[in-house]
Amino acid sequence: SAVISQKPSRDICQRGTSLTIQCQVDSQVTMMFWYRQQPGQSLTLIATANQGSEATYESGFVIDKFPISRPNLTFSTLTVSNMSPEDSSIYLCSVLPTGWDTQYFGPGTRLTVL
Amino acid sequence: GESVGLHLPTLSVQEGDNSIINCAYSNSASDYFIWYKQESGKGPQFIIDIRSNMDKRQGQRVTVLLNKTVKHLSLQIAATQPGDSAVYFCAERMTSYDKVIFGPGTSLSVIP
Repeated sequence: SAVISQKPSRDICQRGTSLTIQCQVDSQVTMMFWYRQQPGQSLTLIATANQGSEATYESGFVIDKFPISRPNLTFSTLTVSNMSPEDSSIYLCSVLPTGWDTQYFGPGTRLTVL
Repeated sequence: GESVGLHLPTLSVQEGDNSIINCAYSNSASDYFIWYKQESGKGPQFIIDIRSNMDKRQGQRVTVLLNKTVKHLSLQIAATQPGDSAVYFCAERMTSYDKVIFGPGTSLSVIP
């Protein structure tokens, strides 16, 4: 398995501002993913972030709103830009360790936008 | 795409009883399935997985059943304990090293 940490664990932000969420893994992984979990709902994939290439976004998510960086094999950031109250969610980082089938998840970042 | 549905289905069971959580998956091309447990304030935790060439797999107190004919997955928890109270998600994946797509989830509540 992989040990994943996220920063911050939670934040309260004002409308119109941006927040960058960090994800750190304790081992090198090729594939990292960012998910959103709105209150009382399931997880929705935002994008796949592979080191050395541009992130691949799912339908309904765009790079201008959710820019992603993947500078190395153990770290990624997700920025939630120009936030509105509808962006209030839990944002989760996930990794697929090389040679494994199972994705593992970080603890999540709970974002509240006022 | 976005998940559909605003409220999670809820299953209440008596402590010590067996629990069965069901899931209908969407894509007949999916070849790998996972059950995750999510406790309040935490990320999803892997419970058990199964590949499409199997129809049953057992772990410690948990069993996953796969029916590809009707695209149905179930998770059975034996002798349910209060610590099993959580939201349970089934997830599916198509081909190796592809993304995992989550089902809607079921909230399990264990009555002491």
